[in-house]
Amino acid sequence: KNQVEQSPQSLIILEGKNCTLQCNYTVSPFSNLRWYKQDTGRGPVSLTIMTFSENTKSNGRYTATLDADTKQSSLHITASQLSDSASYICVVSANYGGATNKLIFGTGTLLAVQP
Amino acid sequence: GAGVSQTPSNKVTEKGKYVELRCDPISGHTALYWYRQSLGQGPEFLIYFQGTGAADDSGLPNDRFFAVRPEGSVSTLKIQRTERGDSAVYLCASSLTSGRYNEQFFGPGTRLTVL
Repeated sequence: KNQVEQSPQSLIILEGKNCTLQCNYTVSPFSNLRWYKQDTGRGPVSLTIMTFSENTKSNGRYTATLDADTKQSSLHITASQLSDSASYICVVSANYGGATNKLIFGTGTLLAVQP
Repeated sequence: GAGVSQTPSNKVTEKGKYVELRCDPISGHTALYWYRQSLGQGPEFLIYFQGTGAADDSGLPNDRFFAVRPEGSVSTLKIQRTERGDSAVYLCASSLTSGRYNEQFFGPGTRLTVL
């Protein structure tokens, strides 16, 4: 069964600190892995997209890693800001042939950054 | 507008009623997706349109759910005989194409509450 699991479920950190969120997946056939940020009451916004051959990708203070062998990914947030408070969702795309992909979403890690 | 818009933002209805949720994708985006997100969960895929046709409706939970996209732009998700378990945030996303590395842009969602 295709699954995406994230840890921790929730996390509280102080402003300015770094943190790392984890994602494990069992999705086949794997196409790509994405991290989304979802603010409360808003739709998810894409942070990074990584293919099988990429093992790291950065977007400002966000750095995602991918180990396709162990089927693990992480999202590292550097020098956290209050605006980083949100749910971070790991999403794995499965390709069943052709151009169509199906996205399998994790349940998210709820991050709270406190002053 | 530049983004995906969804109306209404909130919908409260009574059990057994019929509801329609609307999605306006980004202009020019050929692919449109509907997801359902329950509290504390990641979005779950419902249906995907490529142009006017439903390319994959495998996520629709039962025949009370139906979606249309008659002109290949605006889409409407229709739910008949609503049940309390249908309460969730319904998210719409669009992408330029349905290619495997397409980025999906999400709307803010419609929060449906069935009393």
